[in-house]
Amino acid sequence: KAGVTQTPRYLIKTRGQQVTLSCSPISGHRSVSWYQQTPGQGLQFLFEYFSETQRNKGNFPGRFSGRQFSNSRSEMNVSTLELGDSALYLCASSRDLNQPQHFGDGTRLSIL
Amino acid sequence: QKEVEQNSGPLSVPEGAIASLNCTYSDRGSQSFFWYRQYSGKSPELIMSIYSNGDKEDGRFTAQLNKASQYVSLLIRDSQPSDSATYLCAVNMREYGNKLVFGAGTILRVKS
Repeated sequence: KAGVTQTPRYLIKTRGQQVTLSCSPISGHRSVSWYQQTPGQGLQFLFEYFSETQRNKGNFPGRFSGRQFSNSRSEMNVSTLELGDSALYLCASSRDLNQPQHFGDGTRLSIL
Repeated sequence: QKEVEQNSGPLSVPEGAIASLNCTYSDRGSQSFFWYRQYSGKSPELIMSIYSNGDKEDGRFTAQLNKASQYVSLLIRDSQPSDSATYLCAVNMREYGNKLVFGAGTILRVKS
């Protein structure tokens, strides 16, 4: 069974640009969550989607947005990139709430 | 009180010993609890999930849950150098719409 697939694995952008990250969940998983991980802040929840609807959102500015498609694949977009957005962005999928989440390998985003 | 608290460590144990990792959480209504292992530069890997009070064993790992004390722990028996990693406690917080909240993690070092 294929795991959670995130693309791309690495990205280098400059301040002010925008970026889109992609996540394909495990087959049969309808919930997709996104996290930002930095050395100082640990794993911070961005948002969670289920059946194309955002069910939960973390405390991030509106520059961070996401969506989910009918096949459960999800994308995350960050606009007007700032140096502080440099982080590992992780996607996790699960069958539903309260079920174990399984993580992809992440996208490492570096802002120059 | 932080939502999910863990001792950051590092916790150092000799090879073959029992490593004991602890986690407390703030939401008394939480129902689902998870332990993840994260190696440096890698994404979190699910190692245990527990939903009921008591112990749950899986190989060398035992998760313990006490909802009255709002406490969950992970025991690793016969610790190996390959167990050296950061261990993340995660709790589905009912008060936040069942958002999965992670602790900051405990660094475990197993010395041979």
